[in-house]
Amino acid sequence: LAKTTQPISMDSYEGQEVNITCSHNNIATNDYITWYQQFPSQGPRFIIQGYKTKVTNEVASLFIPADRKSSTLSLPRVSLSDTAVYYCLVGDSNTGFQKLVFGTGTRLLVSP
Amino acid sequence: NAGVTQTPKFQVLKTGQSMTLQCAQDMNHEYMSWYRQDPGMGLRLIHYSVGAGITDQGEVPNGYNVSRSTTEDFPLRLLSAAPSQTSVYFCASSGHGTPDREQYFGPGTRLTVT
Repeated sequence: LAKTTQPISMDSYEGQEVNITCSHNNIATNDYITWYQQFPSQGPRFIIQGYKTKVTNEVASLFIPADRKSSTLSLPRVSLSDTAVYYCLVGDSNTGFQKLVFGTGTRLLVSP
Repeated sequence: NAGVTQTPKFQVLKTGQSMTLQCAQDMNHEYMSWYRQDPGMGLRLIHYSVGAGITDQGEVPNGYNVSRSTTEDFPLRLLSAAPSQTSVYFCASSGHGTPDREQYFGPGTRLTVT
C-alpha cells in the first residue's frame, strides 16, 4: 500500500496561510492524492483531491510537483475553526483502488 | 439526503457480548466501508464492500463480520466483544465505486467494551 508521511503537528495563527506537506515516494502512476479534515468526535470530511499540478476549490489548494512524490495542502487565511487533523491519502492501485490507508495525520492548531 | 447514518451513537458492551453496528446511506453509493479509530490514531479499514453481495477484508478484520444484502445498508457485527475493540467506528460510502475518490463518512459509533 502506498505510504504517506506527514508532520505530526503544526501551529498557526488566525489569518495566516498554512501549508501542510505530505510525502508519498512510492505513489503509483494511477493514484490520486486526497486530503481529508477531521474535527474531534466527527468523521473525516473530504477537502480536496488532485492528480498533478495544482487544484483549487473554495476551501483549499493542492500543489503537486511533476514527480508526484509529495504534495502540499494550502489553507489560505486560517481561522480558529480550521483547528483539526488533516489526512493525506493516496489510492492503492494494487488493490484496484479498493483500499485506502489513513496515516496518523497532521494535527493543526490555530490560535488567536 | 441524510447522507451516511450510523446507529447507535454510543454503546457499552461487556466482554463476550455480540452486537451489530448499523450503517445506512441514501445516496445509492456502491462502495461502503467500515473503519475504526483508536484514540490519537488514524483510521484503520476493517471491511469494505464494492456492491450488494460483495464484501472483503481490510487491514483489521478479525473479530468482525459484515454483510451487504442491499445497496443502502452495511452492518458491522462484533462476534464476541473484547476490550481491544473499544474504539470509535466510522462507516463511509463512495459513489465512484472505489474509495480513492471522495468518501462520505458517518458521525461514528463510540463503543466501549468492559
